[in-house]
Amino acid sequence: AQKITQTQPGMFVQEKEAVTLDCTYDTSDPSYGLFWYKQPSSGEMIFLIYQGSYDQQNATEGRYSLNFQKARKSANLVISASQLGDSAMYFCATDGGYNKLIFGAGTRLAVHP
Amino acid sequence: EAGVAQSPRYKIIEKRQSVAFWCNPISGHATLYWYQQILGQGPKLLIQFQNNGVVDDSQLPKDRFSAERLKGVDSTLKIQPAKLEDSAVYLCASRERAEGFYEQYFGPGTRLTVT
Repeated sequence: AQKITQTQPGMFVQEKEAVTLDCTYDTSDPSYGLFWYKQPSSGEMIFLIYQGSYDQQNATEGRYSLNFQKARKSANLVISASQLGDSAMYFCATDGGYNKLIFGAGTRLAVHP
Repeated sequence: EAGVAQSPRYKIIEKRQSVAFWCNPISGHATLYWYQQILGQGPKLLIQFQNNGVVDDSQLPKDRFSAERLKGVDSTLKIQPAKLEDSAVYLCASRERAEGFYEQYFGPGTRLTVT
């Protein structure tokens, strides 16, 4: 069975600084995807970035990048130039059978001015 | 393009009562998911539909939870009777296709409080 571990319950970062949110995964599937979602206090889940297990390059989307280390089974999210609006819960997920998402417990990020 | 719609946004009921949630996915999306998110946890899949058929309901407590997706569009999730531990946010998501990488789009969720 797939499992996602996020070991940082909470993180703080100064505005305009970069921050890394950790994620490790466990799966027996030879092909899999890794996702990051943002959940603001309003509750909706916002898709940020996707990495396929066979992708040769780390995924990037604007200020978000995914540091994918397959041998270590880690898929850390890097947010560059943090903004106050980045304060939210961040969830790492992988795809289980039939492309359902298996989520970690999340990391709460607080951006300080 | 309109997003995933859910209603109601909030619901408070007493234990042993019944409740129903509604979801309207993005137009044309074949796959629909219901997730349960308990406070302090990540969402957990309850049930997945492909068109109007159930693909995965392995984590749905079938003695009290039921869901349907008539005509492969809207979906309802029902709890009867509710327990205190059902207090959670219920998220509906849809996806264009089942295979390959397609982003799941989430609705705003329904926050259920069981007293």
